[in-house]
Amino acid sequence: NAGVTQTPKFRVLKTGQSMTLLCAQDMNHEYMYWYRQDPGMGLRLIHYSVGEGTTAKGEVPDGYNVSRLKKQNFLLGLESAAPSQTSVYFCASTPRGRGTDTQYFGPGTRLTVL
Amino acid sequence: DQQVKQNSPSLSVQEGRISILNCDYTNSMFDYFLWYKKYPAEGPTFLISISSIKDKNEDGRFTVFLNKSAKHLSLHIVPSQPGDSAVYFCAAPTGNQFYFGTGTSLTVIP
Repeated sequence: NAGVTQTPKFRVLKTGQSMTLLCAQDMNHEYMYWYRQDPGMGLRLIHYSVGEGTTAKGEVPDGYNVSRLKKQNFLLGLESAAPSQTSVYFCASTPRGRGTDTQYFGPGTRLTVL
Repeated sequence: DQQVKQNSPSLSVQEGRISILNCDYTNSMFDYFLWYKKYPAEGPTFLISISSIKDKNEDGRFTVFLNKSAKHLSLHIVPSQPGDSAVYFCAAPTGNQFYFGTGTSLTVIP
């Protein structure tokens, strides 16, 4: 099993450009999450999904959109990138989303917006 | 508003000694806590957890202590090894979301 994979690993954008980050998991997990990690801020939840076709906002959703058309994939979109979105983005999944479930994280995507 | 806080950004410990990483929380509804470990250029990985019905959970060299009245938990690593050098996050779930602390970077000096 590959676990949780993220594509791409690195990306540099100019302000105003758009892009999509792809997260894929092969563990048949129901719940998937997108986080961003910034210095001194820890991991902050952007959006999450409790199942195929569903999405919900997390702590810092502004400027991002998500889609979960297939159970194994969770896409994070930036329609018009801003320098404030420079960050490391992590995707995670859990079997059922219960609080006691362990989250499995991908390796991260480092995004720089110039 | 940071619901889970780690007030020490970094910690250095000699190999073989004890490492103590601290975490405070503000939400009294939290009833489960997790610690994650993160190496550079990798995603966090689960380390150990504790339920609020316990005040201690042990797994090998790692022990987590929970003090509910103080809303404080700590992770003890004994003995510390160079391979333990990483960033450690505490986290607490509520509803469908997880709240993470800002992390403590541990360096174990050989």
